[in-house]
Amino acid sequence: DAGVTQSPTHLIKTRGQHVTLRCSPISGHKSVSWYQQVLGQGPQFIFQYYEKEERGRGNFPDRFSARQFPNYSSELNVNALLLGDSALYLCASSLVGSEAFFGQGTRLTVV
Amino acid sequence: QKEVEQNSGPLSVPEGAIASLNCTYSDRGSQSFFWYRQYSGKSPELIMSIYSNGDKEDGRFTAQLNKASQYVSLLIRDSQPSDSATYLCAPFNQAGTALIFGKGTTLSVSS
Repeated sequence: DAGVTQSPTHLIKTRGQHVTLRCSPISGHKSVSWYQQVLGQGPQFIFQYYEKEERGRGNFPDRFSARQFPNYSSELNVNALLLGDSALYLCASSLVGSEAFFGQGTRLTVV
Repeated sequence: QKEVEQNSGPLSVPEGAIASLNCTYSDRGSQSFFWYRQYSGKSPELIMSIYSNGDKEDGRFTAQLNKASQYVSLLIRDSQPSDSATYLCAPFNQAGTALIFGKGTTLSVSS
């Protein structure tokens, strides 16, 4: 069975640009969450989506947005990139309120 | 601000010893608790979940939960060099929408 898949795996962007990260959940999982992990820290919650609706939002600026599609895949968008947005972006899928399984992550570098 | 506290380590144990990892959390509404293992440069991997007070064993791993003390621990028996990684404690928030991560404890198992 395929696990959570994220694309791309690595990305280099310039300050001020926009980025879109993609995530496909485990088959049967309807909940997708996004986390940001900077070096030396634990992951920080950004968004949770369930049945295409936003169910939770972390303490991130409005430059961060996301959506979930009818097939339960998801996109995370970040506008006006800052150097501080450089991080590992993790997508997790789960059944609602149950164990969350992470994809391999997207390593974003902003230069 | 809901927080999770872990000793950052490094925690060093010899091969075959028991490694004990501890975690305290501040959100009294948390009902579900998870331990993730993260190798350097990789994404978090779920190793244990625990929902009720007491102990839960799975192979060489035992998770312990005490909701009254807001304390979770993970014991790794017969530690192996392959267990060397960062261990992340993560309760769900009360709404069940977000995992709240600590910074993690780095474990080093020497052969």
